[in-house]
Amino acid sequence: GAVVSQHPSRVICKSGTSVKIECRSLDFQATTMFWYRQFPKKSLMLMATSNEGSKATYEQGVEKDKFLINHASLTLSTLTVTSAHPEDSSFYICSASTGTSGSPLHFGNGTRLTVT
Amino acid sequence: SQKIEQNSEALNIQEGKTATLTCNYTNYSPAYLQWYRQDPGRGPVFLLLIRENEKEKRKERLKVTFDTTLKQSLFHITASQPADSATYLCALAPMNTGNQFYFGTGTSLTVIP
Repeated sequence: GAVVSQHPSRVICKSGTSVKIECRSLDFQATTMFWYRQFPKKSLMLMATSNEGSKATYEQGVEKDKFLINHASLTLSTLTVTSAHPEDSSFYICSASTGTSGSPLHFGNGTRLTVT
Repeated sequence: SQKIEQNSEALNIQEGKTATLTCNYTNYSPAYLQWYRQDPGRGPVFLLLIRENEKEKRKERLKVTFDTTLKQSLFHITASQPADSATYLCALAPMNTGNQFYFGTGTSLTVIP
């Protein structure tokens, strides 16, 4: 149980284009979803928290107009990297939670984004 | 500034020994602390949760301790096996959020046969 599917697993795009990443909870309802970014050999950096049906809350230093998050249903959240630049190249990972305090995060397998 | 630091980037131990990983934090008041395992190119997988009012938790060969005075958690893997080789991450949720977890720097564990 508690499976989170993230697509695509890899994407290469040209500078200036936008990329959408999907995160789906397959067998449970995710009240809250989180988006993380991971640099090589570094830890996960929390980018934003999204609750179903409301606007995402972004961490300090994360540009909300660049990283658009939509959490339209209890099983789907999307992250759109707009006008991507090479410095946006990274490993993006979503996680889903039932929303209960302290409950485990269930992670997708991440998306490797390369912007050329 | 707020920090979550894991004591070493890489740890090598002999099979059968106990691996001990450290997680130290500053300027957080965590309500929950969790440990995750991450394999290369994959998302982290949840292992254990410990609450701020708990001292120790065990699950099979895993043990976690939590000392809020020292602001430290220790993660032990007993009778380690090569299959335990992975990166281990600690994560904590502050009291004012409860389910927003911030991750430590990670420790890469290699268990040598």
